[in-house]
Amino acid sequence: EDQVTQSPEALRLQEGESSSLNCSYTVSGLRGLFWYRQDPGKGPEFLFTLYSAGEEKEKERLKATLTKKESFLHITAPKPEDSATYLCAVGRGRDDKIIFGKGTRLHILP
Amino acid sequence: DGGITQSPKYLFRKEGQNVTLSCEQNLNHDAMYWYRQDPGQGLRLIYYSQIVNDFQKGDIAEGYSVSREKKESFPLTVTSAQKNPTAFYLCASSMRDKAAEAFFGQGTRLTVV
Repeated sequence: EDQVTQSPEALRLQEGESSSLNCSYTVSGLRGLFWYRQDPGKGPEFLFTLYSAGEEKEKERLKATLTKKESFLHITAPKPEDSATYLCAVGRGRDDKIIFGKGTRLHILP
Repeated sequence: DGGITQSPKYLFRKEGQNVTLSCEQNLNHDAMYWYRQDPGQGLRLIYYSQIVNDFQKGDIAEGYSVSREKKESFPLTVTSAQKNPTAFYLCASSMRDKAAEAFFGQGTRLTVV
């Protein structure tokens, strides 16, 4: 069964404390892995697309990496404004369906 | 400014009533989508449309209906047949075949009372 599993469910960090969020997946014919940021009561905001193992993308304090089985979202020296839920999703090749994980709630304490 | 607008932000419905959620975009996107988000769950696709006057069922279409009469608009009707309609509903739009890089609206929180 195609699925996306994100861990941890929730993470509390002190400002400046770097960490990583994990997204593991099983999918038949990966057609991209995607990261989003979602603030409370709002829609997700697209962050990154990764297509092949070894690929990396960066945006400010965020860096996404991809292996054949999982992706990591590394957060370096986070600030309180980085607090949000981070969603991971994969695209399935046979029908182009997007399968979402449940998200990781990140809280950065000042 | 280009964007995607959902209305209303909050909606209350009595059991047995149909209700329509509005979604409008001015991004000139061909594709539009409706997702449902429940606490602690991933987004689930309700319906999607790749072109005007055509739409397809997603994973959880039962109890919902849509129309796509204009490129800019993709309203979702939650019917009385939907057994558990209380949820956060998200509309999105994208270029065709770019579902993952969609722009999302701010969502409508529907509560059945």
